[in-house]
Amino acid sequence: ETGVTQSPTHLIKTRGQQVTLRCSSQSGHNTVSWYQQALGQGPQFIFQYYREEENGRGNFPPRFSGLQFPNYSSELNVNALELDDSALYLCASSSDRDPHTEAFFGQGTRLTVV
Amino acid sequence: DAKTTQPPSMDCAEGRAANLPCNHSTISGNEYVYWYRQIHSQGPQYIIHGLKNNETNEMASLIITEDRKSSTLILPHATLRDTAVYYCIVRPTNDYKLSFGAGTTVTVRA
Repeated sequence: ETGVTQSPTHLIKTRGQQVTLRCSSQSGHNTVSWYQQALGQGPQFIFQYYREEENGRGNFPPRFSGLQFPNYSSELNVNALELDDSALYLCASSSDRDPHTEAFFGQGTRLTVV
Repeated sequence: DAKTTQPPSMDCAEGRAANLPCNHSTISGNEYVYWYRQIHSQGPQYIIHGLKNNETNEMASLIITEDRKSSTLILPHATLRDTAVYYCIVRPTNDYKLSFGAGTTVTVRA
């Protein structure tokens, strides 16, 4: 186990709805990144949060947004869900003390949009 | 970011060494080579990383060629639990994201 926990583990939503996914980072880690993994593909970077601010973003539309809280936990929000948003959403935590420290991933949230 | 090329799949016999190749011919001087793996239905797991020297830890060894255009991840004694998708990633010093490709699906057979 990595110490990174995500909730919920599975979720089914209807197209057009909004969803919030949660991530608790590993103790001592102040940076959280979110990834989307479609079936059969590698994870794709959505964005990273550091000190409660977005610190970089991948090629995802603005309806993907996030938050980081003072305790370094994080949320991923997706508005106006589309069928193609169905994927495994992964959270990874790391520390800024060493830019090359490993990132620890959670088990992911499996989102199905119907 | 430099692009990596990996074989889509490979088989390995249990107890034997597994050698996973990765080509990164456009790698820059400030880019590190990282390896992660993802066991089915789990999040990716860090294995090892290096810049230009060979590296070894309790999980694996990383051999980087002198010109840094390719590398090999070595699992010294593969077990059935090593069956996973293995990702080779090139990451610049000042970058925060991991750019995953399709990886290599490694199947360890008894």
